[in-house]
Amino acid sequence: GAVVSQHPSWVICKSGTSVKIECRSLDFQATTMFWYRQFPKQSLMLMATSNEGSKATYEQGVEKDKFLINHASLTLSTLTVTSAHPEDSSFYICSARGGADEKLFFGSGTQLSVL
Amino acid sequence: LAKTTQPISMDSYEGQEVNITCSHNNIATNDYITWYQQFPSQGPRFIIQGYKTKVTNEVASLFIPADRKSSTLSLPRVSLSDTAVYYCLVGDDTYGGSQGNLIFGKGTKLSVKP
Repeated sequence: GAVVSQHPSWVICKSGTSVKIECRSLDFQATTMFWYRQFPKQSLMLMATSNEGSKATYEQGVEKDKFLINHASLTLSTLTVTSAHPEDSSFYICSARGGADEKLFFGSGTQLSVL
Repeated sequence: LAKTTQPISMDSYEGQEVNITCSHNNIATNDYITWYQQFPSQGPRFIIQGYKTKVTNEVASLFIPADRKSSTLSLPRVSLSDTAVYYCLVGDDTYGGSQGNLIFGKGTKLSVKP
């Protein structure tokens, strides 16, 4: 089946720095990718919808200037957490629609820890 | 998007059949029902998807009554490795549907014991 690769799988950074997370569709073209955030023992929360070649659509309450999303190609979307703070520590997951039957496939997630 | 309601947790023993029911009273005509499995620190994994009646694949069955206001995920003969959180999602998710994003509910934490 279709594969979505997410990198890095975990990252530790200092408060105030920026962190970039990549999401790649390995064997299909994904015109739309989605970014989720998941806190411990909670469900996934949709942050934004990323469309190739256009600006991302953010969910209510998600700061677009803090969580920069770029979807420059049909196989790559990036999420940059700018000026990260400890409260941004979370599990970030991307997903992409694609494959022969246009199903939704998820990446393996990125655990971000901000010190 | 239709809201879903699932039991927060379920316990089972190895070898048993597990049925997890999801309520989605406001499901729309174009909505499909999709179930995902998530292990700790991993992304969700697609299990099964259906629109009505019954769907079966190599890992699970999905039962959907005629009114489509609920659905039941059936896992035959569970093992310890089936311990995970199971999410029921409803949305226009497949075959070129316009609504690509899926809203996750709280999910059901299934614990399989030896």
